[in-house]
Amino acid sequence: DAGVTQSPTHLIKTRGQQVTLRCSPISGHKSVSWYQQVLGQGPQFIFQYYEKEERGRGNFPDRFSARQFPNYSSELNVNALLLGDSALYLCASSLETHGIYGYTFGSGTRLTVV
Amino acid sequence: GQNIDQPTEMTATEGAIVQINCTYQTSGFNGLFWYQQHAGEAPTFLSYNVLDGLEEKGRFSSFLSRSKGYSYLLLKELQMKDSASYLCAVRDSNYQLIWGAGTKLIIKP
Repeated sequence: DAGVTQSPTHLIKTRGQQVTLRCSPISGHKSVSWYQQVLGQGPQFIFQYYEKEERGRGNFPDRFSARQFPNYSSELNVNALLLGDSALYLCASSLETHGIYGYTFGSGTRLTVV
Repeated sequence: GQNIDQPTEMTATEGAIVQINCTYQTSGFNGLFWYQQHAGEAPTFLSYNVLDGLEEKGRFSSFLSRSKGYSYLLLKELQMKDSASYLCAVRDSNYQLIWGAGTKLIIKP
């Protein structure tokens, strides 16, 4: 079985540009969460989606947006990139919204803003 | 505010035992997770505690005391491959995961 897949694995963007990151959850998992992890810190929650609806939002500016598709895959969009957006972006999937059965992470997208 | 504290770094010897502590103050509690993360890789699930007590899984055990807001991860028979960061995360009343900054564990021969 394929795990959580994220694309691209690495990305370099210029300040002010826009970026779209993609995530495909484990087959059967209906919930996807997005996290930002800056080097040396724990992940910070950005969004959670379940059945195509937003179920939670972390303390991130409106430049960050996301959506979930009918096949449960998800995209994270970041507009007007800042140097501080450079981080590892992690996607985690779970069977249901509360993650009662745990969360499985993808390998992440390493975003560098120059 | 919500806060999770873990030591920044610990060093242990191959074959020994190490205990990594985690204390938390969160808006509600719906379970505590421990994850392992090797440098540049995604976190991988180690353990989950929702009731007080010890959960054992091979060389890894995790303990929870909800009244004290405290957990620890115990690693036995340490191997070089256990060198990694260990992340403590608490699921709050909104079922969102709040993460600690992680403990970098260095294993020496």
